Amino acid sequence: EVQVVESGGGLVQPGRSLRLSCTASGFIFGDYAMTWVRQAPGKGLEWVGWIRSKEYGGAAEYAASVKGRFIISRDDSKITAYLQMNSLKTEDTAVYYCARGRTRVDYWGQGTLVTVSS
Amino acid sequence: QSALTQAPSASGSPGQSVTISCTGTSSDVGGYNYVSWYQQHPGKAPKLMISEVSKRPSGVPDRFSGSKSGNTASLTVSGLQAEDEADYYCSSFAGSNNLIFGGGTKLTVL
Repeated sequence: EVQVVESGGGLVQPGRSLRLSCTASGFIFGDYAMTWVRQAPGKGLEWVGWIRSKEYGGAAEYAASVKGRFIISRDDSKITAYLQMNSLKTEDTAVYYCARGRTRVDYWGQGTLVTVSS
Repeated sequence: QSALTQAPSASGSPGQSVTISCTGTSSDVGGYNYVSWYQQHPGKAPKLMISEVSKRPSGVPDRFSGSKSGNTASLTVSGLQAEDEADYYCSSFAGSNNLIFGGGTKLTVL
């Protein structure tokens, strides 16, 4: 069974950093791109970014709203993707989802809540 | 890049059909066959219902179907059931390695 589990959310002050993890199981993690999507309270889905598989270079792409502040990485040996969030702003408050795929984003985790507040 | 345009709400009675539209531009919906639809129940993660415009993943009822014409994609739910009541989001590859979502449509089963 394909599973994706996020962790690392919590309350953080504006300007600080936080790292989210996304651990996968049930599929060959290294073969897939991984995507991060967020959802602010009561709002719609917003693409954050994705990271390619090593076969396709392993590079990451980002939404304009987070580019330069967020970094997506992966460790295939740990079947885990990461979202390093720096210089956090109050508007980054959201549930952050990790999901498998890039143009076809199929399996999603349950999400982890990040609250940016002083 | 602006979000894809979806009507905020839609509704139908049990057994009826309802169509939800998702309008973009030639740079996203109209330019690629990478439109997906997601169902999200309150407090739950999104679930993929349709990928690549009209492909239904295993386990998704055939009551759900997708199509596209020009810059507008559509999701049709036939034979509405109570459990179909949820938020529905479209997404599209938007070039420059971006993904873009619609604002979401709240489907109410009357």
